[in-house]
Amino acid sequence: EDQVTQSPEALRLQEGESSSLNCSYTVSGLRGLFWYRQDPGKGPEFLFTLYSAGEEKEKERLKATLTKKESFLHITAPKPEDSATYLCAAFYNQGGKLIFGQGTELSVKP
Amino acid sequence: NAGVMQNPRHLVRRRGQEARLRCSPMKGHSHVYWYRQLPEEGLKFMVYLQKENIIDESGMPKERFSAEFPKEGPSILRIQQVVRGDSAAYFCASSPDGLSNQPQHFGDGTRLSIL
Repeated sequence: EDQVTQSPEALRLQEGESSSLNCSYTVSGLRGLFWYRQDPGKGPEFLFTLYSAGEEKEKERLKATLTKKESFLHITAPKPEDSATYLCAAFYNQGGKLIFGQGTELSVKP
Repeated sequence: NAGVMQNPRHLVRRRGQEARLRCSPMKGHSHVYWYRQLPEEGLKFMVYLQKENIIDESGMPKERFSAEFPKEGPSILRIQQVVRGDSAAYFCASSPDGLSNQPQHFGDGTRLSIL
């Protein structure tokens, strides 16, 4: 069964304390991964697309990387406004449905 | 607002009633996807539609659930004879086409509560 697993489930950081979130996957016919951010009461907001091992994407304090088995979302010097749930989702060659991980709930304290 | 619009944002139904959830995709998008987020669980795919066609309904429960995306108007997710277990957040997403490299853009969901 195709599966996406994220860890940790929850992460508490102090402002400025850098860390990484993990997304591992076992998906046959995988084409790539999306990363999303979800705030409470809102829908997921698109962040990055990753296609191939070794690829990296950056946006402000966030950097996403991809290997053959997993992806990492690195957060450098986070701020309280980075607090959210971060989701990764696998997509297939033929498009269509996404397979989501459970998410990592990030809390950044000032 | 050019984003994905879902309504209502909150819906309360009693057991046995019907629930209708609506989704208007982003302008220029003709592909719609529905996902369900149960409490303490991740987003689960339900159905993928293009105008007037169901492309993939592999995630839809076999009974009581149906979806449509007519030529005109929003996509509708319909749940008949609701039960307590249907309480969840239902999200709609859209994309311009079905290509895998196009990210899906999400609405803010409908929170369905069953009394």
